[in-house]
Amino acid sequence: GAVVSQHPSRVICKSGTSVKIECRSLDFQATTMFWYRQFPKQSLMLMATSNEGSKATYEQGVEKDKFLINHASLTLSTLTVTSAHPEDSSFYICSARDRTGGNEKLFFGSGTQLSVL
Amino acid sequence: AQSVTQLDSQVPVFEEAPVELRCNYSSSVSVYLFWYVQYPNQGLQLLLKYLSGSTLVKGINGFEAEFNKSQTSFHLRKPSVHISDTAEYFCAVTDTGRRALTFGSGTRLQVQP
Repeated sequence: GAVVSQHPSRVICKSGTSVKIECRSLDFQATTMFWYRQFPKQSLMLMATSNEGSKATYEQGVEKDKFLINHASLTLSTLTVTSAHPEDSSFYICSARDRTGGNEKLFFGSGTQLSVL
Repeated sequence: AQSVTQLDSQVPVFEEAPVELRCNYSSSVSVYLFWYVQYPNQGLQLLLKYLSGSTLVKGINGFEAEFNKSQTSFHLRKPSVHISDTAEYFCAVTDTGRRALTFGSGTRLQVQP
């Protein structure tokens, strides 16, 4: 079945560095991908909606200059956390929308645990 | 805007016992409702969804959920759980136009032998 691959699964970085997270749809084309963030014992919160070939739509309170989203192809969206700080430590998860055959489905990546020291 | 409340952060249960995971939502518009399961080190997997029609929805792995509009609930049930059902379960909602999901905080189902 359809699979979404998200890498890396875990990353530890120093404060001030940038981290890139990749989300790939492996056997379908995803015109839309969603990026979520989850703090411990809290809900997954939508950060932004990524549309292929256009600018991402960010949710209120999410800094677009800090969380750079690129959706340059129909199978790849990337989230770059720029100048990461300890408060950015969180679980980031992407999902991709598959509209193949007229049925809409959402598939999720396995998530990325980011720890900023 | 929508919101989802999963009151139970953890639910311990013995193997072969029934279980119910609670989910309540709020929304000013019509919604679609979902339950996802996340096994360790894996992505979220769709268990079942309610879009329209029968309020009792059957999903994979023997799970079912009932949509109750008057109580704004979408509780997940299984009559007899297995050790392999141990996982994190997320309830989610979306309005009929937006497609981005709003999630609950999750419920950790711990099945004990």
